[in-house]
Amino acid sequence: QQQVKQSPQSLIVQKGGISIINCAYENTAFDYFPWYQQFPGKGPALLIAIRPDVSEKKEGRFTISFNKSAKQFSLHIMDSQPGDSATYFCAASWSGTYKYIFGTGTRLKVLA
Amino acid sequence: GAVVSQHPSRVICKSGTSVKIECRSLDFQATTMFWYRQFPKQSLMLMATSNEGSKATYEQGVEKDKFLINHASLTLSTLTVTSAHPEDSSFYICSAQLETTQYFGPGTRLLVL
Repeated sequence: QQQVKQSPQSLIVQKGGISIINCAYENTAFDYFPWYQQFPGKGPALLIAIRPDVSEKKEGRFTISFNKSAKQFSLHIMDSQPGDSATYFCAASWSGTYKYIFGTGTRLKVLA
Repeated sequence: GAVVSQHPSRVICKSGTSVKIECRSLDFQATTMFWYRQFPKQSLMLMATSNEGSKATYEQGVEKDKFLINHASLTLSTLTVTSAHPEDSSFYICSAQLETTQYFGPGTRLLVL
């Protein structure tokens, strides 16, 4: 119940295309869902986050879509660029502990 | 804002020695910090939760006597890997909590020879 399942494991997208990464969870107590971007040899950087009372949040080229009934959320990267090539992690947490449960990660490669 | 630093960024040590890694929140105070370990091409594995002024809470399977954590102030947490062995070689990352969000440091690459 504590798992966050992330797919796909890897993704190749053409420059200008849309990258879509999906995550699913079981624990309905989760109330905060952030996405992180990590480049090789660096720490994760917060991209965007959402709470269950919102179905969609957009920041620049990054959009989170949230489906509370399906217990799923996804990251959409519009107009993907080679500089977006990185590993992306979704996570979930709940107010009680603020500990994160991370997804397994998606390695995105954007072709020039 | 919300910048977290780690020092050192890379460290090489001999087997049996101890290594200390510092994690600092530069522009905010963090009651809670977290320490993670990451193996190549894998997700982040939470090792422990560090709370200022109290003992750290370790995840199941993490040896608290081997990975000593001290959260001495609202801006500094340290992780000491005691009697390091080659299997402790890894990428160690800390995060500091601000409201509901964790902000991560740049990581420390530890290589034990």
